[in-house]
Amino acid sequence: DIVMTQSPDSLAVSLGERATINCKSSQSVLYSSNNKYYLAWYQQKPGQPPKLLFYWASTRDSGVPDRFSGSGSGTDFTLTISGLQAEDVAVYYCQQYYTTPYTFGQGTKLEIK
Amino acid sequence: EVQVVESGGGLVKPGGSLRLSCAASGFTFGNAWMSWVRQAPGKGLEWVGRIKRKSDGGTTDYAAPVKGRFTISRDDSKSTLFLQMNNLKIEDTAVYYCTTDTDEGFDPWGQGTLVTVSS
Repeated sequence: DIVMTQSPDSLAVSLGERATINCKSSQSVLYSSNNKYYLAWYQQKPGQPPKLLFYWASTRDSGVPDRFSGSGSGTDFTLTISGLQAEDVAVYYCQQYYTTPYTFGQGTKLEIK
Repeated sequence: EVQVVESGGGLVKPGGSLRLSCAASGFTFGNAWMSWVRQAPGKGLEWVGRIKRKSDGGTTDYAAPVKGRFTISRDDSKSTLFLQMNNLKIEDTAVYYCTTDTDEGFDPWGQGTLVTVSS
């Protein structure tokens, strides 16, 4: 199974500052036929289902504010929130959907400092 | 609006069975691969299993903890996904979500349905 490891487990950032969440996969999630990383990021606010933020590691889903960005290659990926807003408080998960069993990172809890 | 709505959760004793449903709308359900994902109370997300569309064989894959106990099926005529859960264990207690399984990630997600396994 591909193990997804996020860091840190929790993060407190001041409003307006930058938050960075890392995700490492235990093996490549690059689909060679289309040269895309099958890596997604989700945001989950308390009491709500997860919401897709990014797919293919860096493609922003429709309606996601551009202060959110996804990047990475190889086995290392990053979710960055520039200019943190109060509504960004949530748990963030990375996921590989390259091969089953699909696996998620353990989650990173983002709070306001 | 693209939407999925889960139902069928409830309280069941260890060893019991439960069947969850997921009603889909706003997209061509028969063309979609579908997955179930669960979340134990206060814990992270865990993929349960998926079913491909019939044109891709309609085959299923499962996570190791549920293989042999859970069965995913679909009724494309009713745009509905099912999760039959047998021999339930206390550790199966979770909110169960259905979602589309696409090349562009899992989206949308329903509100989920809570399954509680307790004596």
